[in-house]
Amino acid sequence: DAGVTQSPTHLIKTRGQQVTLRCSPKSGHDTVSWYQQALGQGPQFIFQYYEEEERQRGNFPDRFSGHQFPNYSSELNVNALLLGDSALYLCASSRDFFQFFGPGTRLTVL
Amino acid sequence: AQSVTQLDSQVPVFEEAPVELRCNYSSSVSVYLFWYVQYPNQGLQLLLKYLSGSTLVKGINGFEAEFNKSQTSFHLRKPSVHISDTAEYFCAVSDGNQGGKLIFGQGTELSVKP
Repeated sequence: DAGVTQSPTHLIKTRGQQVTLRCSPKSGHDTVSWYQQALGQGPQFIFQYYEEEERQRGNFPDRFSGHQFPNYSSELNVNALLLGDSALYLCASSRDFFQFFGPGTRLTVL
Repeated sequence: AQSVTQLDSQVPVFEEAPVELRCNYSSSVSVYLFWYVQYPNQGLQLLLKYLSGSTLVKGINGFEAEFNKSQTSFHLRKPSVHISDTAEYFCAVSDGNQGGKLIFGQGTELSVKP
Protein backbone atom coordinates (compact mmCIF):
# COMPACT_ATOMS: atom_id res chain seq x y z
CA ASP A 1 0.00 0.00 0.00
CA ALA A 2 1.57 3.24 -1.16
CA GLY A 3 1.49 6.06 1.31
CA VAL A 4 0.94 9.68 0.43
CA THR A 5 2.83 10.63 -2.72
CA GLN A 6 3.72 14.11 -3.96
CA SER A 7 5.15 15.45 -7.19
CA PRO A 8 7.45 16.93 -8.14
CA THR A 9 10.12 16.41 -5.48
CA HIS A 10 11.88 19.68 -6.20
CA LEU A 11 10.93 22.73 -8.20
CA ILE A 12 12.66 26.00 -9.05
CA LYS A 13 10.62 28.98 -10.22
CA THR A 14 11.17 32.72 -10.62
CA ARG A 15 9.20 35.53 -9.02
CA GLY A 16 5.84 36.16 -10.63
CA GLN A 17 5.47 32.67 -12.07
CA GLN A 18 2.76 30.18 -11.23
CA VAL A 19 3.25 26.67 -9.86
CA THR A 20 1.13 23.54 -9.42
CA LEU A 21 1.97 20.86 -6.90
CA ARG A 22 0.29 17.45 -6.84
CA CYS A 23 -0.67 14.99 -4.13
CA SER A 24 -2.09 11.47 -4.15
CA PRO A 25 -3.58 10.41 -0.81
CA LYS A 26 -3.07 7.15 0.99
CA SER A 27 -5.45 4.42 -0.13
CA GLY A 28 -8.81 4.74 1.63
CA HIS A 29 -8.30 8.37 2.62
CA ASP A 30 -10.79 10.98 1.44
CA THR A 31 -9.43 14.20 2.96
CA VAL A 32 -6.34 16.10 1.84
CA SER A 33 -4.63 18.94 3.71
CA TRP A 34 -1.78 21.15 2.55
CA TYR A 35 0.89 22.72 4.74
CA GLN A 36 3.75 25.13 4.11
CA GLN A 37 6.98 24.57 6.03
CA ALA A 38 9.48 27.42 5.78
CA LEU A 39 13.10 26.66 6.65
CA GLY A 40 13.53 26.17 10.38
CA GLN A 41 9.81 26.49 11.09
CA GLY A 42 6.94 24.20 11.88
CA PRO A 43 4.40 23.43 9.16
CA GLN A 44 1.59 25.96 8.69
CA PHE A 45 -1.87 24.91 7.55
CA ILE A 46 -2.88 26.23 4.14
CA PHE A 47 -6.23 24.53 3.47
CA GLN A 48 -8.07 21.23 3.51
CA TYR A 49 -10.20 19.52 0.87
CA TYR A 50 -13.00 17.03 1.41
CA GLU A 51 -15.54 15.85 -1.16
CA GLU A 52 -13.91 18.14 -3.74
CA GLU A 53 -14.61 21.26 -1.66
CA GLU A 54 -12.40 23.45 0.49
CA ARG A 55 -13.47 22.66 4.05
CA GLN A 56 -11.02 24.74 6.08
CA ARG A 57 -8.52 27.44 5.22
CA GLY A 58 -5.57 28.89 7.08
CA ASN A 59 -4.23 32.41 6.96
CA PHE A 60 -2.90 32.37 3.39
CA PRO A 61 -3.69 34.84 0.59
CA ASP A 62 -5.91 34.06 -2.37
CA ARG A 63 -2.80 33.45 -4.47
CA PHE A 64 -2.92 30.00 -2.90
CA SER A 65 -5.70 27.86 -4.34
CA GLY A 66 -6.42 24.20 -4.61
CA HIS A 67 -8.51 21.48 -6.08
CA GLN A 68 -9.56 17.96 -5.21
CA PHE A 69 -10.48 15.44 -7.87
CA PRO A 70 -13.08 12.64 -7.68
CA ASN A 71 -10.29 10.12 -6.98
CA TYR A 72 -9.37 12.26 -3.91
CA SER A 73 -6.04 13.42 -5.34
CA SER A 74 -5.34 17.11 -4.97
CA GLU A 75 -3.46 20.05 -6.45
CA LEU A 76 -2.06 23.15 -4.83
CA ASN A 77 -1.68 26.18 -7.08
CA VAL A 78 0.29 29.28 -6.20
CA ASN A 79 0.09 32.35 -8.45
CA ALA A 80 2.39 35.36 -8.66
CA LEU A 81 5.17 33.65 -6.73
CA LEU A 82 7.14 35.66 -4.17
CA LEU A 83 10.56 34.93 -2.76
CA GLY A 84 8.85 34.21 0.57
CA ASP A 85 6.93 31.32 -0.99
CA SER A 86 10.13 29.27 -0.98
CA ALA A 87 9.40 26.38 1.35
CA LEU A 88 8.68 22.69 1.69
CA TYR A 89 5.04 22.03 0.80
CA LEU A 90 3.58 19.06 2.60
CA CYS A 91 0.44 17.17 1.72
CA ALA A 92 -1.36 15.09 4.35
CA SER A 93 -4.25 12.70 3.86
CA SER A 94 -6.71 11.38 6.40
CA ARG A 95 -9.95 9.51 6.83
CA ASP A 96 -10.51 10.24 10.49
CA PHE A 97 -8.40 12.09 13.05
CA PHE A 98 -4.94 10.99 11.93
CA GLN A 99 -3.10 12.80 9.18
CA PHE A 100 -0.42 10.96 7.22
CA PHE A 101 2.15 13.11 5.50
CA GLY A 102 3.87 12.81 2.17
CA PRO A 103 7.58 13.54 1.60
CA GLY A 104 6.88 17.07 0.41
CA THR A 105 7.76 19.24 -2.57
CA ARG A 106 10.68 21.62 -2.12
CA LEU A 107 9.85 24.89 -3.93
CA THR A 108 12.59 27.44 -4.50
CA VAL A 109 11.62 30.86 -5.84
CA LEU A 110 14.46 32.91 -7.33
CA ALA B 1 -7.34 30.23 19.09
CA GLN B 2 -5.03 27.31 19.59
CA SER B 3 -1.27 27.54 19.82
CA VAL B 4 1.67 25.29 20.58
CA THR B 5 4.97 26.25 22.18
CA GLN B 6 7.97 23.98 22.11
CA LEU B 7 10.21 25.22 24.85
CA ASP B 8 13.55 24.09 23.44
CA SER B 9 14.71 24.74 19.89
CA GLN B 10 17.71 22.41 20.22
CA VAL B 11 18.41 19.51 22.58
CA PRO B 12 21.85 17.90 22.43
CA VAL B 13 22.19 14.60 24.29
CA PHE B 14 24.59 11.69 24.46
CA GLU B 15 23.67 8.25 23.18
CA GLU B 16 21.84 6.04 25.73
CA ALA B 17 20.94 9.05 27.89
CA PRO B 18 17.29 9.90 28.65
CA VAL B 19 15.65 12.85 26.92
CA GLU B 20 12.58 15.03 27.36
CA LEU B 21 11.25 17.38 24.70
CA ARG B 22 8.85 19.91 26.13
CA CYS B 23 5.57 21.06 24.62
CA ASN B 24 2.91 23.40 25.99
CA TYR B 25 -0.36 24.21 24.29
CA SER B 26 -3.22 26.62 24.68
CA SER B 27 -6.78 25.98 23.66
CA SER B 28 -10.24 26.93 24.76
CA VAL B 29 -11.71 23.60 23.69
CA SER B 30 -10.85 19.95 24.09
CA VAL B 31 -7.87 19.02 21.98
CA TYR B 32 -6.13 16.15 20.41
CA LEU B 33 -2.35 16.18 20.74
CA PHE B 34 0.33 14.72 18.52
CA TRP B 35 4.07 14.34 18.22
CA TYR B 36 5.61 14.02 14.76
CA VAL B 37 9.23 13.34 13.78
CA GLN B 38 10.91 14.66 10.65
CA TYR B 39 14.17 13.14 9.43
CA PRO B 40 16.33 15.23 7.08
CA ASN B 41 14.76 15.79 3.67
CA GLN B 42 11.66 13.78 4.57
CA GLY B 43 8.04 14.38 5.47
CA LEU B 44 6.50 14.02 8.92
CA GLN B 45 5.98 10.66 10.63
CA LEU B 46 3.48 10.25 13.46
CA LEU B 47 5.20 9.20 16.70
CA LEU B 48 2.20 9.15 19.02
CA LYS B 49 -1.14 10.74 19.74
CA TYR B 50 -3.44 11.60 22.62
CA LEU B 51 -7.16 11.60 21.97
CA SER B 52 -8.65 10.63 25.34
CA GLY B 53 -8.27 8.11 28.13
CA SER B 54 -4.96 7.32 29.78
CA THR B 55 -2.73 10.37 30.05
CA LEU B 56 0.40 8.32 29.38
CA VAL B 57 0.68 7.56 25.70
CA LYS B 58 3.18 5.16 24.17
CA GLY B 59 4.36 5.55 20.61
CA ILE B 60 6.79 4.08 18.15
CA ASN B 61 10.55 3.76 18.60
CA GLY B 62 10.30 3.67 22.40
CA PHE B 63 8.91 7.20 22.80
CA GLU B 64 6.13 8.10 25.22
CA ALA B 65 4.35 11.30 26.21
CA GLU B 66 2.26 12.42 29.13
CA PHE B 67 -0.79 14.64 28.80
CA ASN B 68 -1.14 17.06 31.70
CA LYS B 69 -4.35 19.04 31.43
CA SER B 70 -3.73 21.29 34.44
CA GLN B 71 -0.34 22.35 33.09
CA THR B 72 -1.47 22.22 29.45
CA SER B 73 1.61 20.20 28.58
CA PHE B 74 2.38 17.17 26.44
CA HIS B 75 6.07 16.41 26.95
CA LEU B 76 7.80 13.70 24.93
CA ARG B 77 10.25 11.34 26.62
CA LYS B 78 12.55 8.47 25.81
CA PRO B 79 14.54 6.64 28.51
CA SER B 80 17.55 5.86 26.27
CA VAL B 81 18.19 7.53 22.93
CA HIS B 82 20.05 6.21 19.89
CA ILE B 83 22.04 7.99 17.21
CA SER B 84 19.18 7.20 14.82
CA ASP B 85 16.81 9.37 16.91
CA THR B 86 18.58 12.47 15.63
CA ALA B 87 15.82 14.43 13.89
CA GLU B 88 13.41 17.36 14.21
CA TYR B 89 10.42 16.76 16.49
CA PHE B 90 7.14 18.64 16.22
CA CYS B 91 4.33 18.87 18.72
CA ALA B 92 0.89 19.57 17.23
CA VAL B 93 -2.65 20.19 18.40
CA SER B 94 -5.93 19.62 16.62
CA ASP B 95 -9.32 21.03 17.50
CA GLY B 96 -10.83 17.58 17.49
CA ASN B 97 -12.92 17.92 14.36
CA GLN B 98 -12.60 14.90 12.16
CA GLY B 99 -9.60 15.47 9.94
CA GLY B 100 -9.17 18.86 11.54
CA LYS B 101 -6.20 21.05 10.81
CA LEU B 102 -3.05 20.66 12.85
CA ILE B 103 -1.36 23.58 14.58
CA PHE B 104 2.35 22.89 14.96
CA GLY B 105 5.03 24.16 17.28
CA GLN B 106 8.31 25.51 15.96
CA GLY B 107 10.07 22.20 16.37
CA THR B 108 12.87 20.84 18.55
CA GLU B 109 16.06 19.60 16.97
CA LEU B 110 17.26 16.52 18.84
CA SER B 111 20.93 15.82 18.29
CA VAL B 112 22.25 12.54 19.69
CA LYS B 113 26.02 12.35 20.03
CA PRO B 114 28.11 9.19 20.48
